[in-house]
Amino acid sequence: SSELTQDPAVSVALGQTVRITCQGDSVRNYFASWYQQKPGQAPILVFYGKNNRPSGVPDRFSGSSSGDTASLTITGAQAEDEADYHCNSRDISGNRPVFGGGTRLTVL
Amino acid sequence: QVQLVESGGGLVKPGGSLRLSCAASGFPFSDYYMSWIRQTPGKGLEWLSYISTSDLIIYYADSVKGRFTISRDNAKNSLFLQMNTLRVDDTAVYYCARPIAPADPGGAFDVWGQGTMVTVSS
Repeated sequence: SSELTQDPAVSVALGQTVRITCQGDSVRNYFASWYQQKPGQAPILVFYGKNNRPSGVPDRFSGSSSGDTASLTITGAQAEDEADYHCNSRDISGNRPVFGGGTRLTVL
Repeated sequence: QVQLVESGGGLVKPGGSLRLSCAASGFPFSDYYMSWIRQTPGKGLEWLSYISTSDLIIYYADSVKGRFTISRDNAKNSLFLQMNTLRVDDTAVYYCARPIAPADPGGAFDVWGQGTMVTVSS
């Protein structure tokens, strides 16, 4: 399958740790990338590859992968982390990008 | 600075056509594969198409294959998406995006435009 599945919504208490997951067959073979998107704004890349965080992204954002599931972990979530988070990887052929449906993170 | 700016969105009737443009600046546009990605209101992102640096490699998502055509003009640092036979479910914000690795269009996208809204309605 070329699909990536994300939980529609996740919540976390301020300062706590939250894991957002992305499940799909292609994740077994290809790294996932993660994007943060706030209302009315374009997505921003926050983590990619095996262990890469773009310049300017806080180090509380980290990524990992196990089997068919990739994860974005926010350690010590802040109010400004409240946003939609999208994962992307490749389809099984490796030729086409594919996105998950997105997860809305609420920081309580 | 590195920037992508989309234009050309608007209101169009079902069955109509629209041509989107994406102006790139601040980086060697001709060295990068480029993609179009859309987002339907309140929903997730959907990759639509990418084009190689010299137009030789082009891929489309099944949802737009045969209706949309991607192209580029490296001399003008511009990317285009010709959209024909538009349907109501093509209503979305359309983004152009640059991959973080110039020749790896399937990887992460590190530069996005602000998006242009396309509304297909009668």
